[in-house]
Amino acid sequence: GAGVSQSPRYKVAKRGQDVALRCDPISGHVSLFWYQQALGQGPEFLTYFQNEAQLDKSGLPSDRFFAERPEGSVSTLKIQRTQQEDSAVYLCASSPLAVSSYEQYFGPGTRLTVT
Amino acid sequence: KNQVEQSPQSLIILEGKNCTLQCNYTVSPFSNLRWYKQDTGRGPVSLTIMTFSENTKSNGRYTATLDADTKQSSLHITASQLSDSASYICVVSVPLSFGAGTTVTVRA
Repeated sequence: GAGVSQSPRYKVAKRGQDVALRCDPISGHVSLFWYQQALGQGPEFLTYFQNEAQLDKSGLPSDRFFAERPEGSVSTLKIQRTQQEDSAVYLCASSPLAVSSYEQYFGPGTRLTVT
Repeated sequence: KNQVEQSPQSLIILEGKNCTLQCNYTVSPFSNLRWYKQDTGRGPVSLTIMTFSENTKSNGRYTATLDADTKQSSLHITASQLSDSASYICVVSVPLSFGAGTTVTVRA
């Protein structure tokens, strides 16, 4: 079946622009996670949804970052007034259960470059 | 300070040879430990997942070991292939904590 998809795969933004990154999880998956992965580093947790509820947003680095999952399926990560330090790969993962310890299935990521 | 430390940061091996990657963690409480393989430009793909009661788990040529007492895990790759060239990430939960990964390059 179809896996997790993300769009766009690549995004170049000028400093100060707003961007929106989309994640389509595996159909029926309850949990959805966003991660930020800097070059040469492991993913860093940003936020977690259980259906449409955002249960944990402790990893969002600033109030410029905002995520939503209004209908409990597709999710959007929005970054306002992008800065160069926002340049990274943004990974989305989904899981069939409502526990973070269960298996997660990752999308290919969106590579954001802020110039 | 990262609670999951991986070593080495990178390594180069010849095709057909074996290698072992290390993961030390301080995450507590511990629920499970996973190894992921991440090809360049792709999202991570799960290789193994182990709970604290499991000492070893295999997935083809990949064998993971876990010592929950010393909080150490290793990933052994047997008879490496060119397709094994990737970053290998150790993930410990709960809470989810990612290592920085080990970049493996396999050369013919």
